[in-house]
Parts: sequence; structure tokens; C-alpha cells
Amino acid sequence: EADIYQTPRYLVIGTGKKITLECSQTMGHDKMYWYQQDPGMELHLIHYSYGVNSTEKGDLSSESTVSRIRTEHFPLTLESARPSHTSQYLCASSELNTGELFFGEGSRLTVL
Amino acid sequence: DAKTTQPNSMESNEEEPVHLPCNHSTISGTDYIHWYRQLPSQGPEYVIHGLTSNVNNRMASLAIAEDRKSSTLILHRATLRDAAVYYCILRSRGSTLGRLYFGRGTQLTVWP
Repeated sequence: EADIYQTPRYLVIGTGKKITLECSQTMGHDKMYWYQQDPGMELHLIHYSYGVNSTEKGDLSSESTVSRIRTEHFPLTLESARPSHTSQYLCASSELNTGELFFGEGSRLTVL
Repeated sequence: DAKTTQPNSMESNEEEPVHLPCNHSTISGTDYIHWYRQLPSQGPEYVIHGLTSNVNNRMASLAIAEDRKSSTLILHRATLRDAAVYYCILRSRGSTLGRLYFGRGTQLTVWP
């Protein structure tokens, strides 16, 4: 079982609200990632981090921001949610030199 | 990383073997072949990966063609829980795990 957790699993909010999606892992992994996935579609990398105080934007442009103050936590924030942000957000982590990427269960965001 | 081609969907009956094909004709000599699967309402989970030789683990077997231009994920006895989207992904040796390209994969349906 993967030790990576995302909260909330489901969130329905109104336009303009600020939201933070939490992601925590207890495996001590330095590398963490956020992906966005619409139903039946590809995963798109939106943010990644190779360690504390290191964050980079991914391949898909996103209005969200991330922070990495502690190794275990990699929260994603939307300052002002819009309906176009409705999607599933997946967090993942990996250990250097292994072949496995560990994913959380995802946070499904709906913005009305 | 080179791209892969998979059928959009496949079907199987419970307790029968399933062979999920993947074509990767532009694979390079240092590309690893990774397989992940995504159950409904979950994040992807690692299944297996290999480079040149066939690989076995508790979940599945990976058969790699001699020229490495194709591979097959083998589920020896399908269960209802194996119904998922299966992703075949190539990763070059120097690239990070987090930048794996998850396309649309193969939707496997398992009938009781």
C-alpha cells in the first residue's frame, strides 16, 4: 500500500473561493508531483518538487501554486477558483533510482 | 520520451488470462517500459516495469519482444478488481519518473 494521502477526496465550491488541496507522504521521498486529469483523458504534470524549498512548473500551465516547506507535505493552492479549474488533481511521489511512482487517491474538485 | 500505442479498450472474462498489447516502435536502447493501471476513482498504481528481459511479479508478467518494439502485459487470471485503465509508458534512463507520459491507455473490462 502506498503511504501518500490526499485531502479532501471531493470538494464542491463556488467561484472565487480560495482552496488548498493537501498531499502528504510518509515514505521520505524527495520528489513530489501534482497532475491534473479530466475524465477519460491523459494526466498532465502541473507542478513538481525535488526537495524542500524547490518547486517547478510542469508541462501544463496552471493557475495553481504549490509550496514545499517540509519533505512530507506538498500542498496545492488556487487563490480564486473558477469553473475551468474543475478537474481531478493527483499527487505523486517517487524515490530516486526506483521504478515506481506512488500516487494518492486524488482530489476531485468541482467549481460552480 | 518515445510514445506508445495501445488499443482503446479490451474485454475479458473473469479467471481467464488477459494479454494487453503495447507498441513502441521508436523505443531507444535506454528506454524502460513501465506499466501502470488506474482503477475507477483512484490514482494510478504501479504494475511492473522492465528493460529487455521478461519480468514477473505478484501482479502480472511483462513480455518484451526481442526487438523491443512491442510488449505485452499479462494478467494470468483476471478478476473483477482488475477492471481498470492500463497505461504502457516509456521512460528514458535519464528522465525523472514524474515526467512519465500517461496517455489514454487501454480500458479493460472484466465480465463475471
